[in-house]
Amino acid sequence: AQSVTQLDSQVPVFEEAPVELRCNYSSSVSVYLFWYVQYPNQGLQLLLKYLSGSTLVESINGFEAEFNKSQTSFHLRKPSVHISDTAEYFCAVSRSYNTDKLIFGTGTRLQVFP
Amino acid sequence: KAGVTQTPRYLIKTRGQQVTLSCSPISGHRSVSWYQQTPGQGLQFLFEYFSETQRNKGNFPGRFSGRQFSNSRSEMNVSTLELGDSALYLCASSIDRGSSYEQYFGPGTRLTVT
Repeated sequence: AQSVTQLDSQVPVFEEAPVELRCNYSSSVSVYLFWYVQYPNQGLQLLLKYLSGSTLVESINGFEAEFNKSQTSFHLRKPSVHISDTAEYFCAVSRSYNTDKLIFGTGTRLQVFP
Repeated sequence: KAGVTQTPRYLIKTRGQQVTLSCSPISGHRSVSWYQQTPGQGLQFLFEYFSETQRNKGNFPGRFSGRQFSNSRSEMNVSTLELGDSALYLCASSIDRGSSYEQYFGPGTRLTVT
């Protein structure tokens, strides 16, 4: 079985500061890794994903995440956050075959202050 | 291309009633998954459907059921509603089973049970 741990339930940060949202996972099988973002009263939007290959993946809005197999981590980073990045961020895993089922972490609320 | 649509967006029911939620996947997508999101339990997997067959089921009581039609549209039903069923119900679609890497979420149906 797979599981996901997001240790930080809330991360407050000032605008233009760097941020890291932590995600650790456990799985006995090959998995895909994802970060989703949820704005208030909306569904989930895929931010970025790791399937295979390069361990560093980037999104179009400046976020990046690095897959670390030895530490079973997939931390999300952004060098300079904006007010508009305020949202809930979810880390998720899925088995890489035969299912679309996602296992989510408990989420991290990123609050960006001016 | 239109995204995943869910109807209704908001719903208020009383305890003991039943409810049916609908999900229309992206055109051409054949796999549909459902999730329940609550403040206490987070995002939990309900079901996964592909080719009108339930392929995977989460750990929910039998009051929760679903189905998928030949056009890939899906419905989920909750009978004998309880206060704890109040949640945001999210639907996601992907082009094929095992395509979690290209899975898109709808805006959700907010169910309130009074």
